[in-house]
Amino acid sequence: AQKVTQAQTEISVVEKEDVTLDCVYETRDTTYYLFWYKQPPSGELVFLIRRNSFDEQNEISGRYSWNFQKSTSSFNFTITASQVVDSAVYFCALRDRDDKIIFGKGTRLHILP
Amino acid sequence: KAGVTQTPRYLIKTRGQQVTLSCSPISGHRSVSWYQQTPGQGLQFLFEYFSETQRNKGNFPGRFSGRQFSNSRSEMNVSTLELGDSALYLCASSHGRLAEKETRYFGPGTRLLVL
Repeated sequence: AQKVTQAQTEISVVEKEDVTLDCVYETRDTTYYLFWYKQPPSGELVFLIRRNSFDEQNEISGRYSWNFQKSTSSFNFTITASQVVDSAVYFCALRDRDDKIIFGKGTRLHILP
Repeated sequence: KAGVTQTPRYLIKTRGQQVTLSCSPISGHRSVSWYQQTPGQGLQFLFEYFSETQRNKGNFPGRFSGRQFSNSRSEMNVSTLELGDSALYLCASSHGRLAEKETRYFGPGTRLLVL
């Protein structure tokens, strides 16, 4: 079965600290896509990154970086030098062979000033 | 380019009533999918429409239905509302080509409260 697990339900860090959000997925598909979305208090899901299963290269975008490891079925997200504006709920998601998006339960991140 | 728009943003209904939510996708996008978000169940896929046809469906009862118009706008209908239908309903649009670089872009959601 397809499944996405975000074991951390809630994390609090002090501003400027680095924080890593974990994501572990399960799928039988050999071709799949992984996503991270950010949901601020306004409710809208904001797309952050898409990664396909054939591309294990890690990616960095400003203060954000993603570590994709097929061997451990993980797709972790790190925010460097966190800021208060990073406070949100972050969702990891998997697109299955039927093109449905399966979301994890989300990690609520609090960045304390 | 305008993003995904959803109307209304907030809605209060009573049990037994029905409700219709609307979603306008990003210009040029032909696929619209709907998700329900609740604190207990998280984000769950409802259904997806492409070119006026339902292409995918989640595990929701028949009270939940949808449709898509020729201009790609989509509506979602919930009949005989139950308290448990209180949720944030999110709509997402994409090109719909099922291609490698497919990404869904979400709207701000409609927050439905059933009393």
